[in-house]
Amino acid sequence: GQQVMQIPQYQHVQEGEDFTTYCNSSTTLSNIQWYKQRPGGHPVFLIQLVKSGEVKKQKRLTFQFGEAKKNSSLHITATQTTDVGTYFCAGPRSSNQFYFGTGTSLTVIP
Amino acid sequence: NAGVMQNPRHLVRRRGQEARLRCSPMKGHSHVYWYRQLPEEGLKFMVYLQKENIIDESGMPKERFSAEFPKEGPSILRIQQVVRGDSAAYFCASSPVGDPYNEQFFGPGTRLTVL
Repeated sequence: GQQVMQIPQYQHVQEGEDFTTYCNSSTTLSNIQWYKQRPGGHPVFLIQLVKSGEVKKQKRLTFQFGEAKKNSSLHITATQTTDVGTYFCAGPRSSNQFYFGTGTSLTVIP
Repeated sequence: NAGVMQNPRHLVRRRGQEARLRCSPMKGHSHVYWYRQLPEEGLKFMVYLQKENIIDESGMPKERFSAEFPKEGPSILRIQQVVRGDSAAYFCASSPVGDPYNEQFFGPGTRLTVL
């Protein structure tokens, strides 16, 4: 069945370094969403990408949807300690539910 | 506008007891999703409900687990005869419309510990 894989599973960076997480689907996605979960918290919606090749920015975060709509990436420039958390991508599993990726846990070392 | 509410936030049960988790969606939302998250793992879809209807329960174990979303009141996820492997965080999420183009608003979760 459809799967959404994320790499890496864990990432430790020094504060100020960049960070990227990748999301890959075995099938073409109509859209993809990104969520962030702080330690001990709950997932919070960040953004949605719909168009092939779409790029969206939120301050230091850049989100990209692949041309084939099978992969996506989240890039954080100059990480800060407030970026700590787990980042999930989510793709539609059917017409009414999402399949969440395995997540990338980001640790930022001050 | 209150967000998604879940209670209890923490629940401790002994093996064999029942666990009942409640979720009140955001005002105006009639679509509820339940997810399970094991430590250090991602979110696993369990069930999708609309008012008085279970739309998709393909992610829910066939035995011991049930869910409902009555016309009045919160959605309930019920786990009967809990076992240690049921220990996890259970999140519910709601959305105004049940299509994949709407963001899901998550509640704070219920952390279930089975002794």
